[in-house]
Amino acid sequence: AQSVTQPDIHITVSEGASLELRCNYSYGATPYLFWYVQSPGQGLQLLLKYFSGDTLVQGIKGFEAEFKRSQSSFNLRKPSVHWSDAAEYFCAVGAREEYGNKLVFGAGTILRVKS
Amino acid sequence: GAVVSQHPSRVICKSGTSVKIECRSLDFQATTMFWYRQFPKQSLMLMATSNEGSKATYEQGVEKDKFLINHASLTLSTLTVTSAHPEDSSFYICSARDIPLREQYFGPGTRLTVT
Repeated sequence: AQSVTQPDIHITVSEGASLELRCNYSYGATPYLFWYVQSPGQGLQLLLKYFSGDTLVQGIKGFEAEFKRSQSSFNLRKPSVHWSDAAEYFCAVGAREEYGNKLVFGAGTILRVKS
Repeated sequence: GAVVSQHPSRVICKSGTSVKIECRSLDFQATTMFWYRQFPKQSLMLMATSNEGSKATYEQGVEKDKFLINHASLTLSTLTVTSAHPEDSSFYICSARDIPLREQYFGPGTRLTVT
């Protein structure tokens, strides 16, 4: 079964600083990987996803993530954080052989941005 | 495109009553919808997979008779929490998978409070 670990529950960064949110997954084959963002009381918005090909994936709002098979990681990065990026971020994994089916989510990382 | 709505966005009900939550795909057809539950400061946990015209598939530990799911059309799935109790208070999020691309799109969530 798939599992996702987001080691950091909270992260605080200064506005304008760079950001990296960690995500490690456990899965026997090559997974589909996703990053979602959730503002308080809201649903999830897809930031980016990895299926295959280029391991560096570009997403919306200036985010990118890199799939590293050897490390079973899919870390999310942004070179310069804006105050509006404060939210909770979820990494998710799906089974490649049944794409579009259930997703397993990590526990989430709450990002705080200080001015 | 690819908008999923949920109604209501918030609901407060008394213990012992039933509550129905609707999930609609507004501009695409979805043969499959998913229902997730999110406790405060926790991740999303898949409750069940709803397939149009057939019975829902529930995850282990989810009571079928308590959480009734109906997927009567390609654009609507409903979750009914029967005989609600305070421990059912949670944030319920649905997602809908579009037919051609098999992408999951998430609704904005429904906050259920049982008093």
